[in-house]
Amino acid sequence: QVQLVESGGGVVQPGRSLRLSCAASGFTFSRYSIHWVRQAPGKGLEWVAVISYDGSNKFYADSVKGRFTISRDSSKNTVYLQMNSLRAEDTGVYYCAREDCSGGICYFGYWGLGTPVTVSS
Amino acid sequence: QSVLTQPPSVSGAPGQRVTIFCTGSSSNIGAGYDVHWYQYLPGTAPKLLIYVNSNRPSGVPDRFSGSKSGTSASLAITGLQAEDEADYYCQSYDSSLSAYVFGTGTKVTVL
Repeated sequence: QVQLVESGGGVVQPGRSLRLSCAASGFTFSRYSIHWVRQAPGKGLEWVAVISYDGSNKFYADSVKGRFTISRDSSKNTVYLQMNSLRAEDTGVYYCAREDCSGGICYFGYWGLGTPVTVSS
Repeated sequence: QSVLTQPPSVSGAPGQRVTIFCTGSSSNIGAGYDVHWYQYLPGTAPKLLIYVNSNRPSGVPDRFSGSKSGTSASLAITGLQAEDEADYYCQSYDSSLSAYVFGTGTKVTVL
């Protein structure tokens, strides 16, 4: 079965860095784009970034552009989110999600359980 | 920050029907971008409920249905059950933001 397992979250001071991992299993990893979505405490879901199935295309939300970098390692079936210059407003639970498509329309088909990130001094 | 607006909460008695509306604009739903719905229980993985406006993934009960019209979309739950108590989010794409966008979220309470 499809599984996405996030890890790497924790407590970090403002301005510091953190790298999240999303380990995938149960499907052909190299065929799917993967997204990161986050939820701040008491807030709704916010899309963060996406990397295409082959890693050639990457897109980011304006709120993280220039600070976050998404990447993938097909040998490890893992997607990473390198988060630099962290701010208090980056606090939240970070989910990775597999992009599924139907008739060219894509959506978040499977999600992981998330990993919490707290940015605080 | 959300560009898709949902009511904060809806409630209904077991067996009743509830509808959640998702209102967008001319740069997202009104521009023709499709709408998807997710069910979210804190502490669990969000779950795809409806994709491309009205399609249910396998395993999702037919009590859940979706539709889209103009700049809005809706999710209906008929025959409400206790297990439906959760948060629900609509999602689309916004061409002005060049970003995937979510609704503000709606908490469904079963009375």
